[in-house]
Amino acid sequence: GEDVEQSLFLSVREGDSSVINCTYTDSSSTYLYWYKQEPGAGLQLLTYIFSNMDMKQDQRLTVLLNKKDKHLSLRIADTQTGDSAIYFCADERRRGSYIPTFGRGTSLIVHP
Amino acid sequence: DVKVTQSSRYLVKRTGEKVFLECVQDMDHENMFWYRQDPGLGLRLIYFSYDVKMKEKGDIPEGYSVSREKKERFSLILESASTNQTSMYLCASTAQGVIKYGYTFGSGTRLTVV
Repeated sequence: GEDVEQSLFLSVREGDSSVINCTYTDSSSTYLYWYKQEPGAGLQLLTYIFSNMDMKQDQRLTVLLNKKDKHLSLRIADTQTGDSAIYFCADERRRGSYIPTFGRGTSLIVHP
Repeated sequence: DVKVTQSSRYLVKRTGEKVFLECVQDMDHENMFWYRQDPGLGLRLIYFSYDVKMKEKGDIPEGYSVSREKKERFSLILESASTNQTSMYLCASTAQGVIKYGYTFGSGTRLTVV
């Protein structure tokens, strides 16, 4: 996962916006993903963005993609305590089929 | 509700034991994967499989093997467990050609080797 970089921790107050950043290296990725992992659970797909898009919005979530800089971000508006989790960014690597490569995950801690 | 089911949530095994981690999916997915998750290291791919009886090494296959005799089941085998294999193991699956819908993960098996 060392080719997909994320900061390890982010702490925000409830009601604020959270921005989780990610840099990746594989420019051939067709899709880029954000997964969420709640305590004691597996990963769930949160959202994805097609590589020819700059932005995708889905309710409180906004994904921004800068292909030139290979930078992906996830913005969570009006962050709630239930958003506390680990967030993983993933790109795709071609190994026959496309296989996701995950970053190390960003632990989001939301304070009341 | 589609599912990836891992047979055990927690396992404790002794050094040198042969360990089987089982994963079953009910979505008729072709692709299945085994990852291990360690704090600060994220998810690392151990093995994956595109089809029955097919397997490919991931980034960290040493000390592991896999078996896929049926489409729905993908087993991870630790031939001789060691303490450095203490970790959370996650199984995932996806359909061929439907990458944009992402991967469906199991809840994980936390393995402790003592």
